[in-house]
Amino acid sequence: RKEVEQDPGPFNVPEGATVAFNCTYSNSASQSFFWYRQDCRKEPKLLMSVYSSGNEDGRFTAQLNRASQYISLLIRDSKLSDSATYLCVVNQSGGYQKVTFGTGTKLQVIP
Amino acid sequence: DVKVTQSSRYLVKRTGEKVFLECVQDMDHENMFWYRQDPGLGLRLIYFSYDVKMKEKGDIPEGYSVSREKKERFSLILESASTNQTSMYLCASSPPRGNYYEQFFGPGTRLTVL
Repeated sequence: RKEVEQDPGPFNVPEGATVAFNCTYSNSASQSFFWYRQDCRKEPKLLMSVYSSGNEDGRFTAQLNRASQYISLLIRDSKLSDSATYLCVVNQSGGYQKVTFGTGTKLQVIP
Repeated sequence: DVKVTQSSRYLVKRTGEKVFLECVQDMDHENMFWYRQDPGLGLRLIYFSYDVKMKEKGDIPEGYSVSREKKERFSLILESASTNQTSMYLCASSPPRGNYYEQFFGPGTRLTVL
């Protein structure tokens, strides 16, 4: 089993739709979780951290489910500019900021 | 503005050549990383460094070495390039606070080994 797994997509959704992605992780000792966004032919950039209590940033909501070992990202009122690949990132326990990236979920928002 | 730069956007080399990929950050970050990104495999960590002259192997260090002589610069070296090292190489840096902080990536170097 991969350390971090994501559905590669693509998810094709119309503008204004709500879309959700999940990401599962295998190491129950994982401590920190993040979503990064990567535009086509660009570098990844941090979208948001994922806190145990869940967190929201505008149209974006991130949730963590430790019992089932997955994190989720919900995007409401999708915009064309949301089209990108969303990478799930998990910080394994044990220092020096070594993290594992998922392979990403591609989102295409259609007019 | 935060900035990580990489020496080349595109590079073409021949099998057996020694290849140097340079990364420079201007944020005074302690931590620096080298990843490669391949379709279907995502980003995989090659090496990272948490201080000058310090280095740690990542998940796929074979065939690579690194050098960190100055805080702002982290070099990735392919001692003898092979075709399976054709990939997108991404450098990143982050500050040392806490368990994890945001990693800032450079624009990437697309390396082709013929």
